[in-house]
Amino acid sequence: DAGVTQSPTHLIKTRGQQVTLRCSPKSGHDTVSWYQQALGQGPQFIFQYYEEEERQRGNFPDRFSGHQFPNYSSELNVNALLLGDSALYLCASSLDRGLGTEAFFGQGTRLTVV
Amino acid sequence: GQNIDQPTEMTATEGAIVQINCTYQTSGFNGLFWYQQHAGEAPTFLSYNVLDGLEEKGRFSSFLSRSKGYSYLLLKELQMKDSASYLCAVRSNRDDKIIFGKGTRLHILP
Repeated sequence: DAGVTQSPTHLIKTRGQQVTLRCSPKSGHDTVSWYQQALGQGPQFIFQYYEEEERQRGNFPDRFSGHQFPNYSSELNVNALLLGDSALYLCASSLDRGLGTEAFFGQGTRLTVV
Repeated sequence: GQNIDQPTEMTATEGAIVQINCTYQTSGFNGLFWYQQHAGEAPTFLSYNVLDGLEEKGRFSSFLSRSKGYSYLLLKELQMKDSASYLCAVRSNRDDKIIFGKGTRLHILP
């Protein structure tokens, strides 16, 4: 079992550009959540996808959008990048909402905006 | 809204015991998680509590009091590899989001 995989691992973008991050959930998991983690901070919830729809959203602007595919993999898109978007972006997968199962995290994508 | 508080940093000695506290306020509660995160790595799951009481798993134990909005993670027989950040996270039963605290950086001294 490959666990949660994210790509790319590192990325450097210029302010104003757009970026797409990818996540493949742990085998058997159907729910994907995205988090932004700034240096020295805890992960901040961006949004969650279940059954190909955005189910919950945190306090992030519309520049942050996502998608979930029929195979449960997911993408996070960020438009009009700002310097403050530089962070570690974590994808977490879990199985079946409401059952209290833990979320498994990928290794993250380190995004640097210059 | 939701709010999670935990100490920013703690220091302990190899072989000793350390307790990391977490207090939370949440609109609806459906479980509390503890994760360990080494620098530059993804968080890894340590424990999950949904009912009051103590859950023991090897050298790590986690306690929950729902009425007090309080949890702690207890680490025994500390090892140097336990130097990491420890994240307290709460799941809401209203919207199923898992919200994380800012984490506690634990430094282990030889």
